[in-house]
Amino acid sequence: GAVVSQHPSWVICKSGTSVKIECRSLDFQATTMFWYRQFPKQSLMLMATSNEGSKATYEQGVEKDKFLINHASLTLSTLTVTSAHPEDSSFYICSARSPGQGDPLGAFFGQGTRLTVV
Amino acid sequence: KQEVTQIPAALSVPEGENLVLNCSFTDSAIYNLQWFRQDPGKGLTSLLLIQSSQREQTSGRLNASLDKSSGRSTLYIAASQPGDSATYLCAVWGSQGNLIFGKGTKLSVKP
Repeated sequence: GAVVSQHPSWVICKSGTSVKIECRSLDFQATTMFWYRQFPKQSLMLMATSNEGSKATYEQGVEKDKFLINHASLTLSTLTVTSAHPEDSSFYICSARSPGQGDPLGAFFGQGTRLTVV
Repeated sequence: KQEVTQIPAALSVPEGENLVLNCSFTDSAIYNLQWFRQDPGKGLTSLLLIQSSQREQTSGRLNASLDKSSGRSTLYIAASQPGDSATYLCAVWGSQGNLIFGKGTKLSVKP
């Protein structure tokens, strides 16, 4: 199956700093990538959808100026948490799809990033 | 707005038991439904994908069924093992390829 690599797997940062999370599709071109967030004991919630070469579409309640998403190539999307605060501490995970992969193969997820803001 | 509910929230069984995890969704107009496994602090492992035209999928000891008309899916695990202990997530596909997740069922299989 297709492989999606997410980096870093965990990060601890100080309040007020910015953190960048990378999501790469290793063996296919991902025209669309999704970013999810999961708080403890909660379900994964979609934050934004990014399409290569265009602006990301954010879900209601997600601050686009705080969570900067860049999908500059068909294999890389980045999520930057700007001016991080302790309440941003969460598990962030990306997913990628490509029409060429075909829906029968399902959605492909990265390994996730555990962000802790202190 | 699509909502996904998973019951039970947690389940503890002795090794060897067969078990069923339930998932329900409010909007029957789904594209696909996918079951995942999530280990603590880890990403998602896809278990089974059921396309909207299918009624079930099987992989090893796992069998997932889909009844769109009633808005339900079940994940059947046969002969459970301690290694099956994890949180199981049900997700339905949105029209854009995004997934709407349930909160999961935390399964514990006791040796």
